[in-house]
Amino acid sequence: DSGVTQTPKHLITATGQRVTLRCSPRSGDLSVYWYQQSLDQGLQFLIQYYNGEERAKGNILERFSAQQFPDLHSELNLSSLELGDSALYFCASSAGGGLNYEQYFGPGTRLTVT
Amino acid sequence: GQQLNQSPQSMFIQEGEDVSMNCTSSSIFNTWLWYKQEPGEGPVLLIALYKAGELTSNGRLTAQFGITRKDSFLNISASIPSDVGIYFCAGGGYYGGATNKLIFGTGTLLAVQP
Repeated sequence: DSGVTQTPKHLITATGQRVTLRCSPRSGDLSVYWYQQSLDQGLQFLIQYYNGEERAKGNILERFSAQQFPDLHSELNLSSLELGDSALYFCASSAGGGLNYEQYFGPGTRLTVT
Repeated sequence: GQQLNQSPQSMFIQEGEDVSMNCTSSSIFNTWLWYKQEPGEGPVLLIALYKAGELTSNGRLTAQFGITRKDSFLNISASIPSDVGIYFCAGGGYYGGATNKLIFGTGTLLAVQP
């Protein structure tokens, strides 16, 4: 158990809908990262938040957004969903926002768009 | 999205055999990490390497940070059935990239026959 929690475990929704994925980092970790994992693209970094502020952006679509709240939990919002958004979404956390690369992953949310 | 090259893509071995896999990049990284992912779960951090030439062990696992900073290697000795999973390398701190952002490899699927 990494100490990172994610809800829900599974999500099935229709195209065009909007969903919110939730992540709670390990106790004491200030950084939260979101990743998308699909068969053809592998693990792709989406976005990082550090202590409530956006720190780095990766291959995140404009239809996707995230935020980190004062209690350090984070939410990833996916809107106008398309079939191609079906994937595993992982949250990871690390202790700092500097040169600490050791990220600990949650169990993931499997999103299926029908 | 960007991914590092891992080889082999898959390995099917007998219990007790040693395993070697590697990860290469055209970019220089300051950090190399190795993760293991089992079906339906998030990646689990196995080893982190922070210095070129560094050799680090974690039980039966040994990883090395390549001298050129463009590659890393993972060895598993005396494999056992619970070693089954997908092994990912990840590089961090590449020049021109965002702090903390990790670039993941394409993964090596390991199957161990008892």
